[in-house]
Amino acid sequence: AQSVTQLGSHVSVSEGALVLLRCNYSSSVPPYLFWYVQYPNQGLQLLLKYTTGATLVKGINGFEAEFKKSETSFHLTKPSAHMSDAAEYFCAVRGSGGGADGLTFGKGTHLIIQP
Amino acid sequence: EADIYQTPRYLVIGTGKKITLECSQTMGHDKMYWYQQDPGMELHLIHYSYGVNSTEKGDLSSESTVSRIRTEHFPLTLESARPSHTSQYLCASSETRGREGRHEQFFGPGTRLTVL
Repeated sequence: AQSVTQLGSHVSVSEGALVLLRCNYSSSVPPYLFWYVQYPNQGLQLLLKYTTGATLVKGINGFEAEFKKSETSFHLTKPSAHMSDAAEYFCAVRGSGGGADGLTFGKGTHLIIQP
Repeated sequence: EADIYQTPRYLVIGTGKKITLECSQTMGHDKMYWYQQDPGMELHLIHYSYGVNSTEKGDLSSESTVSRIRTEHFPLTLESARPSHTSQYLCASSETRGREGRHEQFFGPGTRLTVL
């Protein structure tokens, strides 16, 4: 079984400031980890993913995340926030054992960008 | 670019009506999923399919049913809608053929259902 905890339902940063969205997971098998972004009235768009290999993964729109097994974390960062980054962000985990049982999502973090 | 479509995008309907939410993907993905998302909440898996003629219940119990007669089509049906069914429903698909597979799921735009 897997679970995801996203710390902070709302995060507010100034335009140009560092964005840090926290995600911790639990998984009984080696995890596959994902960050998705959701804009209002839209579906989810994949930002980045970790499956195997390099633990620092780069995604679209300047986002990156680092898989830290010892901390069971997969925090999302972006060096400089842009107004267009305002959205809902979801961290998700899937066990690497195969199957089609879907992703387990966190509750989401609403990112607010202050001008 | 992902090609997964959902119709309708918005639906307002009265209690007791039968509804079908459509989901189609043109990527030839073998696996498809339905998630339910309440406002400000995480997504919960309600149905998934490994392929044609395969359907399974997800983590969250749902009164809806699904079918998978064709690879590209995965409709969700509510026989008798109730206000408790008011939610956003998101369809997704993934391709896992091959040694590693791609693992990520591609999402449709969602259907926002309101039952009065």
